[in-house]
Amino acid sequence: EVQLVESGGGLVQPGRSLKLSCAASGFTFSNYGMAWVRQAPTKGLEWVATISYDGSSTYYRDSVKGRFTISRDNAKSTLYLQMDSLRSEDTATYYCARQLDYWGQGVMVTVSS
Amino acid sequence: DVVMTQTPVSMSVSLGGQVSISCRSSQSLVHNNGNTYLSWYIQKPSQSPQLLIYKVSNRFSGISDRFSGSGSGTDFTLKISRVEPDDLGVYYCGQGTQYPLTFGSGTKLEIK
Repeated sequence: EVQLVESGGGLVQPGRSLKLSCAASGFTFSNYGMAWVRQAPTKGLEWVATISYDGSSTYYRDSVKGRFTISRDNAKSTLYLQMDSLRSEDTATYYCARQLDYWGQGVMVTVSS
Repeated sequence: DVVMTQTPVSMSVSLGGQVSISCRSSQSLVHNNGNTYLSWYIQKPSQSPQLLIYKVSNRFSGISDRFSGSGSGTDFTLKISRVEPDDLGVYYCGQGTQYPLTFGSGTKLEIK
């Protein structure tokens, strides 16, 4: 059974950093591209970033470029999202997804002073 | 960016009925490799999104044949037949043809 479990969310002040993790199991992690998608409260889905199966390629939405970094550790079957210079508009539930077919349960990030 | 426009915003259907949700993209979703990366998702209340349909018309693992997808180019449709109580939620279309990946704004399905 494919499982994706996010962690690392919480309340953080504007301008500070946070690192999300996503522990994967039930499939060969190193064979799949992975993504982060977020959802602001009461809003729709917004793609954040994607990383290729081997980490060699990464893609970001413009609003997070230069602030967020997606990475992975295939030996640990874990996906990461390093979020720096956080803004209030980054407040959302962040979902880890395997090629957008399987999704985790999400982790809440609140950016507020 | 590819803008995905979904209609209607919400709809109400009787159990056993049928619904259609439309999704239009601002650009063709045909990839250079010939595939069309249009997917449909459901987000049930207080849950994470679940994939229903990928590449326009392919049902994901375990998805009932009550769900069907169709369309081409820029115009796509999700049909749900014999609606059941568990079908309530918000349906999203999404494109994976080009970055940034984008989603429609959602269609809320309510059961009468």
